[in-house]
Formats: sequence, C-alpha cells, structure tokens
Amino acid sequence: GAGVSQSPRYKVAKRGQDVALRCDPISGHVSLFWYQQALGQGPEFLTYFQNEAQLDKSGLPSDRFFAERPEGSVSTLKIQRTQQEDSAVYLCASSLNRGVGNEQFFGPGTRLTVL
Amino acid sequence: RKEVEQDPGPFNVPEGATVAFNCTYSNSASQSFFWYRQDCRKEPKLLMSVYSSGNEDGRFTAQLNRASQYISLLIRDSKLSDSATYLCVVNPYNFNKFYFGSGTKLNVKP
Repeated sequence: GAGVSQSPRYKVAKRGQDVALRCDPISGHVSLFWYQQALGQGPEFLTYFQNEAQLDKSGLPSDRFFAERPEGSVSTLKIQRTQQEDSAVYLCASSLNRGVGNEQFFGPGTRLTVL
Repeated sequence: RKEVEQDPGPFNVPEGATVAFNCTYSNSASQSFFWYRQDCRKEPKLLMSVYSSGNEDGRFTAQLNRASQYISLLIRDSKLSDSATYLCVVNPYNFNKFYFGSGTKLNVKP
C-alpha cells in the first residue's frame, strides 16, 4: 500500500531563496510530524499537526520556518530566505491516531542543500 | 543536556554475535519508548516499542529501567542485515513530541 511520500526528494537552493517541501501522509492518518535530520544526528522534532491544527511548533528553529496542513491531509513545510545551516534532510511522519505509543511512519525525506 | 543520549559506536561485531545498546533519557516523566532502525540514506522504521515489563521480538529484546532512566536493545545471533543505525526514541510527557537519540551504528561483519 501507499506509504508517506515527500517531494521533492532533493532540493538545491541558493542562500536567500525560499523553498517549499511537500508531504503526503498515509490516507486517514490524523497525526503528522516534521523533523529535521542533520548528517550523523537523529531526527529533531520541528512541528506536529493533528488533522489541520498545528498543535506544537516549538521545534521550528526560527520564524523563517512555516508549516501548514490546511485540509488535514497534505502538509507543506516552507523555509524562507534559506541559510546554509538549513541544509539537512527534512522528514515527514504520520501516525493513525493521536495518543501515546502510536507508530510513526516516515517518508523518504527531502534532502535540502543550501549553497 | 540532551533529552536522549546514545553511544554513537560504531559497534563492529561478527555474524552470530550478541550485541547490546543502551540509551539514557533525562525526563523521568517519559511515557513511551521505542527503538527505530535507520539504514544509510533511508528513513527510520519502527523496530519495536519498549514496554515496562520488557519485551522480545524474535532475536531482539528491549528493556526499560525507569529507576535509572535507560532503555536497552539486545540483538542475538547478529545477521549481516542487522547492520544499520539504531535510534532510541522517547516520548516525554505528551504524545505530540518525540525525542530521538543520535543513533548507534552497528556493523555486522562476515
């Protein structure tokens, strides 16, 4: 069956450009997470949606980062005025329900390189 | 201090060996715990949840020690295909946020 998909898989941006990263979660999954994974590190939490509501955005590193999920399915992570330190893999994950213990299913990630 | 800490390794072991990883967490109110596996340049995938009483899935055994605030993963009879990075994941006090360790790299050699 279809898993979590992300696009683009690779993105090269010049410093100062805006980028938009898309996540298509598994159909029917209520919860959606965005993570940032730097080389050699584990994923770092960015933000969480329950349906269309963004319930936690405490992990967004600056106000240049913005995420939305307007209809409770597809989500977009936007980074404005990209900087070199934004270079990382951006992972999206979804889970069926809210609640402790629910398995998160990850997409393949978008590898962002800022030159 | 990081929420979740892991020994980065690498652990280099021969096929058939038994290997164990530990992971410590800082928030004593943490509610749920997981081990994820991540292959090189791939996304993380759930290996197993960790229950208070400990749990086993085939060659894999996970343990939780709340008093000392660590979780462990034991792999018996290592296979070449077990080579990967193992990520410890902790959900501290609400279901919204999950903290990942930096991962422990395992290399199983023939």
